[in-house]
Amino acid sequence: GQQVMQIPQYQHVQEGEDFTTYCNSSTTLSNIQWYKQRPGGHPVFLIQLVKSGEVKKQKRLTFQFGEAKKNSSLHITATQTTDVGTYFCAPDSSNTGKLIFGQGTTLQVKP
Amino acid sequence: NAGVTQTPKFQVLKTGQSMTLQCAQDMNHEYMSWYRQDPGMGLRLIHYSVGAGITDQGEVPNGYNVSRSTTEDFPLRLLSAAPSQTSVYFCASSYLAGGSYEQYFGPGTRLTVT
Repeated sequence: GQQVMQIPQYQHVQEGEDFTTYCNSSTTLSNIQWYKQRPGGHPVFLIQLVKSGEVKKQKRLTFQFGEAKKNSSLHITATQTTDVGTYFCAPDSSNTGKLIFGQGTTLQVKP
Repeated sequence: NAGVTQTPKFQVLKTGQSMTLQCAQDMNHEYMSWYRQDPGMGLRLIHYSVGAGITDQGEVPNGYNVSRSTTEDFPLRLLSAAPSQTSVYFCASSYLAGGSYEQYFGPGTRLTVT
């Protein structure tokens, strides 16, 4: 079955530093979604990537989909305390909407 | 729109008890799913449904039953609760058409089994 590895599991940064989380799949993906979960909250959709090599930006967040559609990354420039939370990748290998989530990367930001 | 609603918010069960976690959505989404979240384990898919009358198993289906009699509702039944089922349960829904499968999550149910 589909396996997803997300690294790192935890990251502590000083406010203003950059942050990157990586998602690697053992199979070729149809698309990949990213979600953010604040402490005590529920996951909230950030973005969906579909095309090989796709790069999308949302303000300080940059999302990339690998050329082989087997990996993806989320990069945050100049972190802020509002970025605290857990970031999940959710690959879809069959284009059916069935998502298997990665383990997540928990980001802590020191002010 | 209320989005995705879940009840109850909190529940404590004794080992062997059964209960149903409720999930409803008012967005006319075809796809609905249940996840459990445990510390360090991320979100694991329990069961999902692509439409009324159709359900399928996810990664961790044992000990749980689902049914989908209407588009709006997707209840999750714990048949005989075990301490290993202590977790936070999230229901989610999405469209299936159009290529964008953004999932909307409910606020979660925090379940403790003693």
